[in-house]
Amino acid sequence: NAGVTQTPKFRILKIGQSMTLQCAQDMNHNYMYWYRQDPGMGLKLIYYSVGAGITDKGEVPNGYNVSRSTTEDFPLRLELAAPSQTSVYFCASALDSGGQGNTIYFGEGSWLTVV
Amino acid sequence: KQEVTQIPAALSVPEGENLVLNCSFTDSAIYNLQWFRQDPGKGLTSLLLIQSSQREQTSGRLNASLDKSSGRSTLYIAASQPGDSATYLCAVKTSGSRLTFGEGTQLTVNP
Repeated sequence: NAGVTQTPKFRILKIGQSMTLQCAQDMNHNYMYWYRQDPGMGLKLIYYSVGAGITDKGEVPNGYNVSRSTTEDFPLRLELAAPSQTSVYFCASALDSGGQGNTIYFGEGSWLTVV
Repeated sequence: KQEVTQIPAALSVPEGENLVLNCSFTDSAIYNLQWFRQDPGKGLTSLLLIQSSQREQTSGRLNASLDKSSGRSTLYIAASQPGDSATYLCAVKTSGSRLTFGEGTQLTVNP
């Protein structure tokens, strides 16, 4: 299993541009998440999904959109990039979340700079 | 709103020392608590997961405890090694499938 795969690893965007961060998992996990991590800070939840066709907002959803057309893929779309979106983005997945305590697996991150 | 705090923010110890990292949370209605390790430029790796009904979990030189009523968890690292140098984050899972993370403790173990 490759686990959770994120692309691209690094990207520089100009203000106002748009892009999509790709995330794929091959563990047949139902739950998928997008987090952002600013320097010296913990992770903030952007969006999450509990299964194909279902998405929900996290703590910091503004400026982002997601879709979940398949179990495997959970892309994150940045529209009209702003400097405040400069951050490291992590995708994660877990089998389920019904208090069963399943481990969450993270991708290696995507470093995004908006200039 | 759940808030997670980790103390200290940074810790530097000599090799071989036993150490404790602290995590506190404001809402005791949690499903579980996880400790993660993050190496520079990398993603997070889960170290230990404690379910709300458990008191502690052990893996090798790591021991994590959970006191849900007081909103506290500790990660104990025995006989620390330079390879343990990393940032350690705790996260609690509450309702709605969400994990709330602390800001992490940056650990440096000096040879």
